[in-house]
Amino acid sequence: DAGVTQSPTHLIKTRGQQVTLRCSPKSGHDTVSWYQQALGQGPQFIFQYYEEEERQRGNFPDRFSGHQFPNYSSELNVNALLLGDSALYLCASSFRGTGLTYEQYFGPGTRLTVT
Amino acid sequence: QKEVEQNSGPLSVPEGAIASLNCTYSDRGSQSFFWYRQYSGKSPELIMSIYSNGDKEDGRFTAQLNKASQYVSLLIRDSQPSDSATYLCAVNLRSGNTPLVFGKGTRLSVIA
Repeated sequence: DAGVTQSPTHLIKTRGQQVTLRCSPKSGHDTVSWYQQALGQGPQFIFQYYEEEERQRGNFPDRFSGHQFPNYSSELNVNALLLGDSALYLCASSFRGTGLTYEQYFGPGTRLTVT
Repeated sequence: QKEVEQNSGPLSVPEGAIASLNCTYSDRGSQSFFWYRQYSGKSPELIMSIYSNGDKEDGRFTAQLNKASQYVSLLIRDSQPSDSATYLCAVNLRSGNTPLVFGKGTRLSVIA
């Protein structure tokens, strides 16, 4: 059973550049959520995609955008990179079933460094 | 502002002891509660979920939830050095596929 995969593992970019991060959800899952984790902090919710639409969004500027494809995989795009965007970017997948609760499983993350 | 609070630690326990990790949350409407384990440089790994008041046991782990006190805890019995990690408490504010709100995590160190 394939788990959540993310690419790339590490990335170094310069201020002002743009970056695209990719995620494939766990087999059987249809919902992808993206989180940003700064050093020493808990993950912060960026946005969630289901049925190829952004369903919920956290307190992040519109420099952060995303996309979900028909195969449920997702991309996170960040434009005009700032030094403060340096963080671990985590993708979490879940199944939007009929149950009351939805456990979210994280991928290995992408470590982004902005210089 | 919906918050999840954890003691940052480090919490040090000897090998074989019980480690007790605590978490409080501010939103009384919170529905689902999760504990994730995160090793240094790695991503969070889901280890326990709890949805109703009381205790839930899974192997050496026990999660405890008290919604009236807005308190959730994680007990690790027979702690091992391999349990040394940061433990993140996460809360769903509503039922369903909603974003998780995380605490900053408690760093646990199990001393051999």
